[in-house]
Amino acid sequence: DAMVIQNPRYQVTQFGKPVTLSCSQTLNHNVMYWYQQKSSQAPKLLFHYYDKDFNNEADTPDNFQSRRPNTSFCFLDIRSPGLGDAAMYLCATSRDRQTFVGFGPGTRLTVT
Amino acid sequence: QKEVEQDPGPLSVPEGAIVSLNCTYSNSAFQYFMWYRQYSRKGPELLMYTYSSGNKEDGRFTAQVDKSSKYISLFIRDSQPSDSATYLCAFSTDSWGKLQFGAGTQVVVTP
Repeated sequence: DAMVIQNPRYQVTQFGKPVTLSCSQTLNHNVMYWYQQKSSQAPKLLFHYYDKDFNNEADTPDNFQSRRPNTSFCFLDIRSPGLGDAAMYLCATSRDRQTFVGFGPGTRLTVT
Repeated sequence: QKEVEQDPGPLSVPEGAIVSLNCTYSNSAFQYFMWYRQYSRKGPELLMYTYSSGNKEDGRFTAQVDKSSKYISLFIRDSQPSDSATYLCAFSTDSWGKLQFGAGTQVVVTP
């Protein structure tokens, strides 16, 4: 009965090879967020969707893109992963901007 | 100066002791103050939240916010080995979702 599901939990990709991470939610929440958490560092917001409205953080590299085809699913695309993109990627949702955020279990990305 | 400062630890305490965690911040526009707990290889889990200065208590957990000093604290009473985790402070200016996190303090409670 997990409510925010991330697939896969562990992903290994090669330097420069595009990779897509998936997040799904059964909560029917309007807002979905992607955070990047590097080892022993603070999670950092990359972007979020309010319904279909995409909001990019100013310092999110162009290498990172996102898609939200419907309410339940949100994808994180990394076009050309570098070694510095190895991290835990956390998906989070909230009913709206004024309610609390719940996080998924994360996808740990390794770049070789 | 970083916007949020949090001692990374590790902080090791014996079972039953009080755990004291804190963060300082520099952005006076922060209005939402939160503490998340993160177990190894898991996503953060919201523990405590507040919108104002003062204390808030929930079971064994007490959160304090001092806006004048730009300082927040989390206290865990009667600590248990299951409290061993990384504790992240988090802040926001305008919504509960766009969060500025501290780097986390690792806590180890030994039986």
